[in-house]
Amino acid sequence: NAGVTQTPKFRILKIGQSMTLQCTQDMNHNYMYWYRQDPGMGLKLIYYSVGAGITDKGEVPNGYNVSRSTTEDFPLRLELAAPSQTSVYFCASSPKLQAEAFFGQGTRLTVV
Amino acid sequence: QQQVKQSPQSLIVQKGGISIINCAYENTAFDYFPWYQQFPGKGPALLIAIRPDVSEKKEGRFTISFNKSAKQFSLHIMDSQPGDSATYFCAASIKGGSYIPTFGRGTSLIVHP
Repeated sequence: NAGVTQTPKFRILKIGQSMTLQCTQDMNHNYMYWYRQDPGMGLKLIYYSVGAGITDKGEVPNGYNVSRSTTEDFPLRLELAAPSQTSVYFCASSPKLQAEAFFGQGTRLTVV
Repeated sequence: QQQVKQSPQSLIVQKGGISIINCAYENTAFDYFPWYQQFPGKGPALLIAIRPDVSEKKEGRFTISFNKSAKQFSLHIMDSQPGDSATYFCAASIKGGSYIPTFGRGTSLIVHP
């Protein structure tokens, strides 16, 4: 099992550009999450999904969009990149409520 | 509003010492408290977790102490080793509402040889 796979690992974007951060998991988990991690600020939830076709906003959703067309994939879309979106992004999945969350390796995004 | 407050932000310990990281919460509906460990360049990974029906849980050198009345829980790392150097996050979640874990801000632990 590969677990949770994120691509790309690194990306530099110019202000106003758009991109999609890919996330896929092969553990058949229903629950998937996107977090951003900024120094000293912990992990902030951007969006989450409890199953295919169901998504909901987390704590910091502005500037992002998600979709969940399959159980395996949960891409995060940035439409108009801004310097405030410079961060490390983590995708995670879990098999059920209040269970271990498995994290991907992260995507380091810089917006210049 | 920070729902889970974690301290200290950074911690330096000598090899063989005890590392203690504390977390406090306000929402009494929280009923699941995991700790995650993150090495540089990696995603967080579950270390140990506790539910409020017990006051302590031990796994090897790692122990969670839970004080329900004070709304506090802490991670103790006994006989700290250089390989324990990492960032540690506490988290909390609610069973009857939003199940999504809320994370503390993290503690950067350095264990000197």
